[in-house]
This record gives sequence, C-alpha cells and structure tokens, in this order.
Amino acid sequence: DAGVIQSPRHEVTEMGQEVTLRCKPISGHNSLFWYRQTMMRGLELLIYFNNNVPIDDSGMPEDRFSAKMPNASFSTLKIQPSEPRDSAVYFCASRVGQATEAFFGQGTRLTVV
Amino acid sequence: AQSVTQLGSHVSVSEGALVLLRCNYSSSVPPYLFWYVQYPNQGLQLLLKYTTGATLVKGINGFEAEFKKSETSFHLTKPSAHMSDAAEYFCAVSHNQAGTALIFGKGTTLSVSS
Repeated sequence: DAGVIQSPRHEVTEMGQEVTLRCKPISGHNSLFWYRQTMMRGLELLIYFNNNVPIDDSGMPEDRFSAKMPNASFSTLKIQPSEPRDSAVYFCASRVGQATEAFFGQGTRLTVV
Repeated sequence: AQSVTQLGSHVSVSEGALVLLRCNYSSSVPPYLFWYVQYPNQGLQLLLKYTTGATLVKGINGFEAEFKKSETSFHLTKPSAHMSDAAEYFCAVSHNQAGTALIFGKGTTLSVSS
C-alpha cells in the first residue's frame, strides 16, 4: 500500500483565495483525521471522520474551514477565503480501529501571502 | 475529555546518554497511548503503542515506554542516544469508546550532541 497520500505537498496562495487540500487514506481504514501543525500551537486536531461521517469538528477554527469525505477513499479540507494566519502544515491521517495507530501522510505545507 | 501534556518542549542530551521524554495523560477511561516521531519535513511515524497487557512497551530504534496508571504517565526512554535520534517526539492518547479521536501533545524536540 502506498500509505496516506496528500496533495499538493506545497501550496502558496494569496490572501482571499480558496485553497483545497486533498487526502487519500489507506484502503480499508475507516477513520480519517485532519491535523494542523504550527510552531506556536503544535499539532491540532481539526476534524475527525469515522465511516465517512464527521464525528468531531470542534477543532475547525472558523467557518472559513470546511471538510468533506464523500467516500471511503477521499477527503478534502477547504479554506475559503484563506488568510496569512492559516499558513501551516496540514496533515491527514487514517486508521482502522480505536486501538490501532494512525498512519500519517507527508503533509501539505500551506503558505498564504 | 482526554488530553496529553509533554513536559519540556526541548530536551538536549549527549550521544550515548539516556533519553527520557515525559508524557502525562488525562483520560476518564482506560487509555490507549502512543509515541510518534517526526523527522524534518516528514509526517509522523509510530514508535510504539500501549493498548492493553504488558505495561512496558518496546518500540522501534531501541525506544521503550512504560504505562503507569497511578502516575497517569507514559514516559519514553532509550538507554543510549544516537545522533540519528534527533527529531520531534509526540505523545498521543485515545481510548476504545466509539468516536474517540487521537489527541496529541505539543511535542518535544530532542537534540543530540556529539
């Protein structure tokens, strides 16, 4: 298996633009997480899906952020409009059960100028 | 609600010295505990995990951790540090209630000097 695949790896965009980050979880995994990593705040959980259903989105910072999981093999995280403070590395991770570890993608480094 | 506290955002050791990275958790039910490592510009990789059973858990690269319920701790140790151990380390907690996410601590950066 290729692991969790995120795209793009790097994204530079101007303030106010829409940004869409993509994630393909490992086949057979039924849970998917989106995390944001910054120097100041560390690794923050943004949203957690189980069986394609959002279970906990309390970490989504504002209405500008939205996430979808239309099927078991694809998820998106969208920021509209983007702001400079959204600059961070965004990670997607998946796992197959509560007692198992989550496998991480390589991350998307987002820079909003 | 569950949470993780990693004491010390930065730990420095000499090559060959003992590595001790501290993690305390808060969970109202028996926890599942994990340690991950992150090398620069990479995602997180699992070092080891505790779910049930033996409280001393061995992981990759010579690391181990001990689950101490009475102290709500899951500290990570390695007897002898290598230069290649320099990285950021994250402790995480979950548990077996359906719908429980994986919550991470803020991380500890380990520096190893020769």
